Amino acid sequence: KAGVTQTPRYLIKTRGQQVTLSCSPISGHRSVSWYQQTPGQGLQFLFEYFSETQRNKGNFPGRFSGRQFSNSRSEMNVSTLELGDSALYLCASSLSSGSSWEQYFGPGTRLTVT
Amino acid sequence: SQQGEEDPQALSIQEGENATMNCSYKTSINNLQWYRQNSGRGLVHLILIRSNEREKHSGRLRVTLDTSKKSSSLLITASRAADTASYFCATDASRGSTLGRLYFGRGTQLTVWP
Repeated sequence: KAGVTQTPRYLIKTRGQQVTLSCSPISGHRSVSWYQQTPGQGLQFLFEYFSETQRNKGNFPGRFSGRQFSNSRSEMNVSTLELGDSALYLCASSLSSGSSWEQYFGPGTRLTVT
Repeated sequence: SQQGEEDPQALSIQEGENATMNCSYKTSINNLQWYRQNSGRGLVHLILIRSNEREKHSGRLRVTLDTSKKSSSLLITASRAADTASYFCATDASRGSTLGRLYFGRGTQLTVWP
């Protein structure tokens, strides 16, 4: 069974631009969560989607948004990029929503904002 | 904050030795999970232990959970150079609006020398 895939793997953007990251979960998995990882803050939860609905949201500004499609694929968007948005963005999929389910992570998208 | 904290921050051992990492957290949980991350890549799920379990094994891994002390430990026996990675514990919240999201610690960087 194929794992979680994320595209693109690397991205360089300029301050003020916007970016869209994509995540394809493991086949059959209906929940997708997004995390931001930085050296300073560690792994921070962004949001979780299940059946095209946002179930949980972390403490990030409204510039960070996401959505999930009917095939469970998910995208996250960051508008008006700031230097501090440079990070590794990880998505994770699980069979269902909630912390009782093991989460399987993708390789991440490394975003650099200059 | 619910976030777990791993201890030690860094651990350096020889191949064949055992490695023990600890995790402490602050509020009641349903589950605790351990993950491994190799050098800025995606996280790999290792073990999930539920709040009503005290110990769990998977191959060379042994995880214990003490809910009265709000702590968990991960033991890797007979370490190999390939075990070199960062290890994270992740907790959930047993109640409230954040039910379902995971809180990660800063991780323990394990280095196993050949």
